[in-house]
Amino acid sequence: DGGITQSPKYLFRKEGQNVTLSCEQNLNHDAMYWYRQDPGQGLRLIYYSQIVNDFQKGDIAEGYSVSREKKESFPLTVTSAQKNPTAFYLCASSRRRELSDYEQYFGPGTRLTVT
Amino acid sequence: SQQGEEDPQALSIQEGENATMNCSYKTSINNLQWYRQNSGRGLVHLILIRSNEREKHSGRLRVTLDTSKKSSSLLITASRAADTASYFCATSHGEDSWGKLQFGAGTQVVVTP
Repeated sequence: DGGITQSPKYLFRKEGQNVTLSCEQNLNHDAMYWYRQDPGQGLRLIYYSQIVNDFQKGDIAEGYSVSREKKESFPLTVTSAQKNPTAFYLCASSRRRELSDYEQYFGPGTRLTVT
Repeated sequence: SQQGEEDPQALSIQEGENATMNCSYKTSINNLQWYRQNSGRGLVHLILIRSNEREKHSGRLRVTLDTSKKSSSLLITASRAADTASYFCATSHGEDSWGKLQFGAGTQVVVTP
């Protein structure tokens, strides 16, 4: 059963605590992405990784950190420096292709609430 | 920064009717993609249209692309209650975009039986 898994589905944290969101894929995809979605809005790119041990900042990387030690895994840490961390977080992956045809496959998301 | 802007923001139709939504973007693209999101879920890829294509079909979906107007439209024919979802356009830009996509804010579609 191939796909992307994110855990947990719901996460509650106190302000000032770091929290790590899990993302695992068994699609053998090279690229992985983290997005943030706020109510009624589109997705904003936090970080992306094209290959193991390499990752790049997206549009809203401040207050977040990632690692890519394995091809299958791309965990996201929401640090206490993130001023407004409550949001819906989506992980995605895509194949590398010769042409720029990169459809993305998404996980089910993690809803993070920080109080 | 967001490139795509969907119009309308929300759409309410009855089963059997067609639903049309539009997407406009600002700079030249490699491709444009449409995704669907059911409430509280991840996104599902619907269709991809390359910059050198003008129209594409997939089942009840029809996508058009007008690069001169920097716009695309998604048509869902004979809509069903199960089509109720938010629909997002996403654009790929630049030679080395490596799959990076810019998403619009989405069109929320409600199909009533």
